[in-house]
Order: sequence, then structure tokens, then C-alpha cells
Amino acid sequence: EPEVTQTPSHQVTQMGQEVILRCVPISNHLYFYWYRQILGQKVEFLVSFYNNEISEKSEIFDDQFSVERPDGSNFTLKIRSTKLEDSAMYFCASTRTGGMTEAFFGQGTRLTVV
Amino acid sequence: KNEVEQSPQNLTAQEGEFITINCSYSVGISALHWLQQHPGGGIVSLFMLSSGKKKHGRLIATINIQEKHSSLHITASHPRDSAVYICAVGGATNKLIFGTGTLLAVQP
Repeated sequence: EPEVTQTPSHQVTQMGQEVILRCVPISNHLYFYWYRQILGQKVEFLVSFYNNEISEKSEIFDDQFSVERPDGSNFTLKIRSTKLEDSAMYFCASTRTGGMTEAFFGQGTRLTVV
Repeated sequence: KNEVEQSPQNLTAQEGEFITINCSYSVGISALHWLQQHPGGGIVSLFMLSSGKKKHGRLIATINIQEKHSSLHITASHPRDSAVYICAVGGATNKLIFGTGTLLAVQP
């Protein structure tokens, strides 16, 4: 069964460092998303990406965040200068189409900023 | 006020019991998703529905669009059903808005 793959599963980084979280969406999917879940809280939308550009972003997704699809298979989330409050589980998701369609999630990357 | 509310927040059941988790939402939606999250964090899609009822094995999901309410039922619950069950809604844009989840523990 096709799946969304995220790497690494766990990353520890020092405050102020840059991190890149990687995702390989399902191959025939066209829409890609990043969500995050701070420990004990609900999952929150960060950004959606379609046709090589951001289609929507939340207030959380400020200038410290960027996304990229560098090679047609990977979908990355970069945090330029991490803060303690960026510590969370980050989920990548993909959908085949927009609108009413099943979303497939990766296993998540647990980011710990120390 | 949260756009997606779930109840209960925590639920403990005995093996074999019939379980119901409720979800109410306040926004217009194109579809409602029920998701499962196990310890360790991975999220799995259980159902996507925009009307009526869907069944998959021991799981049943219903939605009432007029009342902006959905329920997830588990029949003959089993300890392996223990997980967090999350309701999420999709609207005019492609993003999902998540509820806070229901932590289900099924005891043998």
C-alpha cells in the first residue's frame, strides 16, 4: 500500500539552528501539506502546496518557515532559526486531488529544540 | 470557540462494549474525516464522509450535515482499538481543521 514517508523520525537541535524535515509523498498525489502537533495539543495546519507553490499558509507559518519540492519526489519543510516553541511533532500529508479527498499522513518527525 | 469539538475527551471501555465518539463543527465543510492516532504519533485515515453513513469492519461513521454533527461508533471494542480518535473537517480550501481528539482505552 502506498504511504507517505518522513525522515528523520526524531531530530534534536539547538535553538537558533536550521532544520530541514523531509517527506516523500505518495507518487501520484498532487497536493502536499505540513501540519504540526505540540505535545498535548491538537494538530494544526501549517501550509499547503500545489503546482510548485504555496496555496495556503497559517499564521504559524511565518518567515522562519519555508517549503520546497526540490526534485519532484521530496517535499521539505525548513525552519531557519529554531525556537524552543517549535518543538512539536510535524506531519506531512498528501492528497491526490484538492477538495473532498482522503488525506494520507506520514508517521511524523518529532522535533525537539533544546 | 473551537471550530471542531469532540466529546468525550477521554473514554475508558471494557472489551466488547459499543463505543460512540461525537464530533460537532461550526464551519461549512466539504467533508469530515475520522482519523486514528496511536502512541508514537502516526495518523491513519479511517473515514472520509460528506453525507450519510460509512462502515468498515467494526467501525461505523455517520454524519448529519444539517446538525453539523458526526459520530464514530466502534462495535465489539477490543484493546487494540485503544488510540486517539480525531475528527477533522475540510472546507472550501484543502486544509483540515482538527478537533482535540478522544483518547480511548479499551480494557481487557
